[in-house]
Amino acid sequence: NAGVMQNPRHLVRRRGQEARLRCSPMKGHSHVYWYRQLPEEGLKFMVYLQKENIIDESGMPKERFSAEFPKEGPSILRIQQVVRGDSAAYFCASSPGDSNQPQHFGDGTRLSIL
Amino acid sequence: QKEVEQDPGPLSVPEGAIVSLNCTYSNSAFQYFMWYRQYSRKGPELLMYTYSSGNKEDGRFTAQVDKSSKYISLFIRDSQPSDSATYLCAMAKGAQKLVFGQGTRLTINP
Repeated sequence: NAGVMQNPRHLVRRRGQEARLRCSPMKGHSHVYWYRQLPEEGLKFMVYLQKENIIDESGMPKERFSAEFPKEGPSILRIQQVVRGDSAAYFCASSPGDSNQPQHFGDGTRLSIL
Repeated sequence: QKEVEQDPGPLSVPEGAIVSLNCTYSNSAFQYFMWYRQYSRKGPELLMYTYSSGNKEDGRFTAQVDKSSKYISLFIRDSQPSDSATYLCAMAKGAQKLVFGQGTRLTINP
């Protein structure tokens, strides 16, 4: 399967714990994007990364959220000290290195906070 | 006012009907326009991708962009039950930071 791979598909955390969501882009893609989908709402942009660089993090909450895309390995979205309001589906997308190509999405990680 | 407005539906039509889905937007800087299909518990699947104004056709799907009216449409001909899904419009200035509509839930009845 050469598509965008996200894991885990489902993640349950208690309030105050940390959540780590992983994303492996499509083969040949070097741009990664994270979006959040709250119940009954559309997808909201969070962050855009290239290898070892954060290009645009204008959609990231100011606290507790961070993202990285290291030289080797998947992109990681990290949420510290989770709260009930963090419960959502988190989607990763990727696109090729040349600009203005469409984004292709993974099947998401559904995060539930107890 | 939201940057992108999309009627959430739900929309229910009989099999074989022509379906029209629409979005309006307020940001005249948007240049790239997309339609995604999302099945329950799955990620968005890219259907159509267009740049600037005009029409694009792919099989039973036609996308239209009218930048002067800030209005985009997706038409589905000969609709099938397998087309039942949520349809998301998305747009961007530079194809990086996508702004999505709320999504329209579509049901095709056999």
